[in-house]
Amino acid sequence: GDSVTQTEGPVTVSESESLIINCTYSATSIAYPNLFWYVRYPGEGLQLLLKVITAGQKGSSRGFEATYNKETTSFHLQKASVQESDSAVYYCALGPSTNAYKVIFGKGTHLHVLP
Amino acid sequence: NAGVIQTPRHKVTGKGQEATLWCEPISGHSAVFWYRQTIVQGLEFLTYFRNQAPIDDSGMPKERFSAQMPNQSHSTLKIQSTQPQDSAVYLCASSSRDRDGEQYFGPGTRLTVL
Repeated sequence: GDSVTQTEGPVTVSESESLIINCTYSATSIAYPNLFWYVRYPGEGLQLLLKVITAGQKGSSRGFEATYNKETTSFHLQKASVQESDSAVYYCALGPSTNAYKVIFGKGTHLHVLP
Repeated sequence: NAGVIQTPRHKVTGKGQEATLWCEPISGHSAVFWYRQTIVQGLEFLTYFRNQAPIDDSGMPKERFSAQMPNQSHSTLKIQSTQPQDSAVYLCASSSRDRDGEQYFGPGTRLTVL
């Protein structure tokens, strides 16, 4: 079936360190999935961080980047230098590219950034 | 655009009582989703509607949970005979077919069953 597996948390890093949250997917029923990272900051609702709909392309937002790698079925989230304000829960997700409705979410990775 | 609206934001019920959660999707969005979020399980899909029709309820506990969408402006999630394990944040999201699967989430309803 379709599924998403991401780094189990919590992940703790110090401010200004680099970060990578791993995400791999299985899309057996979706030929050309769209890939997403969502984020939930403390006290806020879940919101889209970035999305990529074409294999081989990179998405970026708020200093975060993720590259859609169809060969390794991965969509890792990276940031060169994290800030304390990046502390949040991050969800990797995949969805169909046509008739785009149901989205499959990973379990989420809780990130703590130490000042 | 007010975004997805969920009411109430917090609900406390006693074990065995009924809880009804409301969601108003973004105007013009044709798909509405319900999720349950807990620390242990993360974000769990419950059910979704497209153009008010139920499409997939594979995540719904069959016996006590039900969802409806009587019109395009609101959906309800009803939990009968609530149990302590139903305590969670229930999220509603909406989407339109031209948004590449991007979903817009409401703030959630935190349900606490005592």
